[in-house]
Amino acid sequence: QSVLTQPPSVSGTPGQRVTISCSGSSSNIGSNSVGWYQQLPGTAPKLLIYSDNQRPSGVPDRFSGSKSGTSASLAISGLQSEDESDYCCAAWDDSLNGPVFGGGTKLTVL
Amino acid sequence: EVRLVESGGGLIQPGGSLRLSCAASGFTVSSNYMVWVRQAPGEGLEWVSGIHSGGATYYIDSVQGRFTISRDNRKNTLYLQMNSLRAEDTAVYYCARVVSWLPRDWGQGTLVTVSS
Repeated sequence: QSVLTQPPSVSGTPGQRVTISCSGSSSNIGSNSVGWYQQLPGTAPKLLIYSDNQRPSGVPDRFSGSKSGTSASLAISGLQSEDESDYCCAAWDDSLNGPVFGGGTKLTVL
Repeated sequence: EVRLVESGGGLIQPGGSLRLSCAASGFTVSSNYMVWVRQAPGEGLEWVSGIHSGGATYYIDSVQGRFTISRDNRKNTLYLQMNSLRAEDTAVYYCARVVSWLPRDWGQGTLVTVSS
């Protein structure tokens, strides 16, 4: 049972815009910034978004993040086949003194 | 270039012990908050333990008293000593460097399988 809640799956067609939601609580998302990771099968997570809406260098601007209260969202616009992957949200949790994660959302590009 | 390389995983019987290592390069382990994160087969990521640059250590409840995080500043290496292993500890274990309150740089992971 993951601390942060995400939908198990989302899907879209090439060129579409999809969003993935992430819900937490006051001790994590409500008081700390949110990050998003992309994880391909058998590989380590790759940071896509940090500080709610910032992209590390090299991440396309098709990926964007937002946060409101204890929830956050990842948006992917201009969907491409190579975006098919698992996406996971994360935030620091003040009560644990460590990061907490969502259960992951599998994105399927139809 | 920041690089993290884990080692030490393997097949171990319930009740056994393993020590995972995470060799770092491109930055100083002792100057950063470092964490161990695991991922059970088919499951999501779970933070296991962390060590602050000041030396304070933190654990999730399920491993408290069984796992110990530490670092060797001379070797620039992070460790996770895992004792009294259980089947539910089976997972890929990643070490990661925390930047801006989130794991940013990750190793490739090492698989720990607890089974008789």
